Amino acid sequence: DAGVIQSPRHEVTEMGQEVTLRCKPISGHNSLFWYRQTMMRGLELLIYFNNNVPIDDSGMPEDRFSAKMPNASFSTLKIQPSEPRDSAVYFCASSAAGRSYEQYFGPGTRLTVT
Amino acid sequence: LAKTTQPISMDSYEGQEVNITCSHNNIATNDYITWYQQFPSQGPRFIIQGYKTKVTNEVASLFIPADRKSSTLSLPRVSLSDTAVYYCLVGDRPYSSASKIIFGSGTRLSIRP
Repeated sequence: DAGVIQSPRHEVTEMGQEVTLRCKPISGHNSLFWYRQTMMRGLELLIYFNNNVPIDDSGMPEDRFSAKMPNASFSTLKIQPSEPRDSAVYFCASSAAGRSYEQYFGPGTRLTVT
Repeated sequence: LAKTTQPISMDSYEGQEVNITCSHNNIATNDYITWYQQFPSQGPRFIIQGYKTKVTNEVASLFIPADRKSSTLSLPRVSLSDTAVYYCLVGDRPYSSASKIIFGSGTRLSIRP
């Protein structure tokens, strides 16, 4: 099993640009999570999908952030427009049905917005 | 919402047993206790979960007293590779909402030779 796959691993962009982060969950998992980690705020859950449907997006910081899951094997997190305060490591995680407490995390995308 | 409190950091030496305690005074009846481990530059990794008494797997043991207001993650005979941040989470199973999934600040464990 390849585990959760995220791309790109590193992204450097200028303020105002659109950023799209991608995630491929583990095959067979039906829950997907997007997190953001910074030194100041720690690891924060942004949005939670179950069977491709967003269950809870209360952690999404503002309208500049959006997430989609068009099918069971792909999800995107988009930031438009990006700002320097969005600089962080973004993790995607997935879990099997009924086991959302046991999440498998991807390697993360380190985003730097200048 | 059950809030957790853990020590910010701990130090130990190779070969020692390390116990990390997490306080969760407001734990609900249907809440479970879950621990994750995060190495530098990696995403967190699930270690163990329990509801009451003791749970053991190949990585760690989890001790939960009868009142469930705290829990202790026990790492036997640690090595340098156990240096990581350890997070304690409390929530229902499966999580009924994203608000239950709170990693907090974790405990930064440093193992010395």
